[in-house]
Amino acid sequence: GAGVSQSPRYKVAKRGQDVALRCDPISGHVSLFWYQQALGQGPEFLTYFQNEAQLDKSGLPSDRFFAERPEGSVSTLKIQRTQQEDSAVYLCASRALAGSYNEQFFGPGTRLTVL
Amino acid sequence: AQSVTQLDSHVSVSEGTPVLLRCNYSSSYSPSLFWYVQHPNKGLQLLLKYTSAATLVKGINGFEAEFKKSETSFHLTKPSAHMSDAAEYFCVVRASGGSNYKLTFGKGTLLTVNP
Repeated sequence: GAGVSQSPRYKVAKRGQDVALRCDPISGHVSLFWYQQALGQGPEFLTYFQNEAQLDKSGLPSDRFFAERPEGSVSTLKIQRTQQEDSAVYLCASRALAGSYNEQFFGPGTRLTVL
Repeated sequence: AQSVTQLDSHVSVSEGTPVLLRCNYSSSYSPSLFWYVQHPNKGLQLLLKYTSAATLVKGINGFEAEFKKSETSFHLTKPSAHMSDAAEYFCVVRASGGSNYKLTFGKGTLLTVNP
């Protein structure tokens, strides 16, 4: 079946622009995660949804970052007034059930470059 | 807090020779540990996981890892490297308790396989 998909795959933004990154999780998956992967680093946790509820947003770097999942399926990560330090690959992952023993399945990521 | 340290940022091997990717962990409890692989332009894929059952864990594509509590290590090995193994590998620890959805990644080890 289809895996996690993300769009766009690549995004170039001028500093100060707003961007929206989309994640389509595996159908029926309850949990959804966003990660930020800077160049040469491992992914870092940003936020976690269970269905439409955002249960943890402790990893969001600033109040310019906002994530939503209004119907418990597709999620959007929005970055306002982008800065150069926001340049990174943004990864989305989904998990079938809320239990920690379930595997997180990752999408291919969106590479954001802020000029 | 838990963390992982990948001891090598880059490992280069010849095709057909053994692979060793090193990972040390820091945790105040019995951890859940994972290895993920990231091929270019593809999503992170789970190779194997340790969750306090057998200390020698077998994963996909011939990889395995051994949990050694006395050494706080979880090294990834493969007897014979294949060209298709060239990728970035991440050692990962999962948080415990109420945050057990949260994964903490190492900085990654780039594996190069030479013909």
